[in-house]
Amino acid sequence: LAKTTQPISMDSYEGQEVNITCSHNNIATNDYITWYQQFPSQGPRFIIQGYKTKVTNEVASLFIPADRKSSTLSLPRVSLSDTAVYYCLVGEAHTDKLIFGTGTRLQVFP
Amino acid sequence: EAQVTQNPRYLITVTGKKLTVTCSQNMNHEYMSWYRQDPGLGLRQIYYSMNVEVTDKGDVPEGYKVSRKEKRNFPLILESPSPNQTSLYFCASSLASGTPHQPQHFGDGTRLSIL
Repeated sequence: LAKTTQPISMDSYEGQEVNITCSHNNIATNDYITWYQQFPSQGPRFIIQGYKTKVTNEVASLFIPADRKSSTLSLPRVSLSDTAVYYCLVGEAHTDKLIFGTGTRLQVFP
Repeated sequence: EAQVTQNPRYLITVTGKKLTVTCSQNMNHEYMSWYRQDPGLGLRQIYYSMNVEVTDKGDVPEGYKVSRKEKRNFPLILESPSPNQTSLYFCASSLASGTPHQPQHFGDGTRLSIL
């Protein structure tokens, strides 16, 4: 059964780089890892998706080691507006079911 | 504007009174899904649908029903709501099912309180 594990919370200061790790030991061979951001009173919003190695977009980078049992979302130079809950998501093998982690609450301080 | 629309946004009701939360998307997406969000438990998938007339159970389907008669609509039905179904509910849609799973577009949520 696919399962993801993330830290419950993290604190940071403006301008710092934040790295949030998600473990997904049973990820399916052909599945991707996706990260979402959620602000209070809103639905989650897609940030980035990757299969292996490194993916970068205008918002974040995603690092995935060769064994793909974990992934790290990297937010460069965070600002107060990055305060949110971050979820990683993987698919369940041989189904179309999607498994979210419990989320990491990131608090950015001035 | 591309969006997923849920109604109602808030609802307080009583145990046993059937209710339906509607979800509609205007992006011609094949895959639609319902999640519930509870403190400390994150997002848990209730039901999902790969296309019209094709639905399947997620992780927490007990006490819920869904239907997918049209591509754009995916209502969530609570036949006999109970207090443990008090939660924040999200509907989401994506382009297609399969692998890799496509980015999900979420609605703004429906907060249900069942007394």
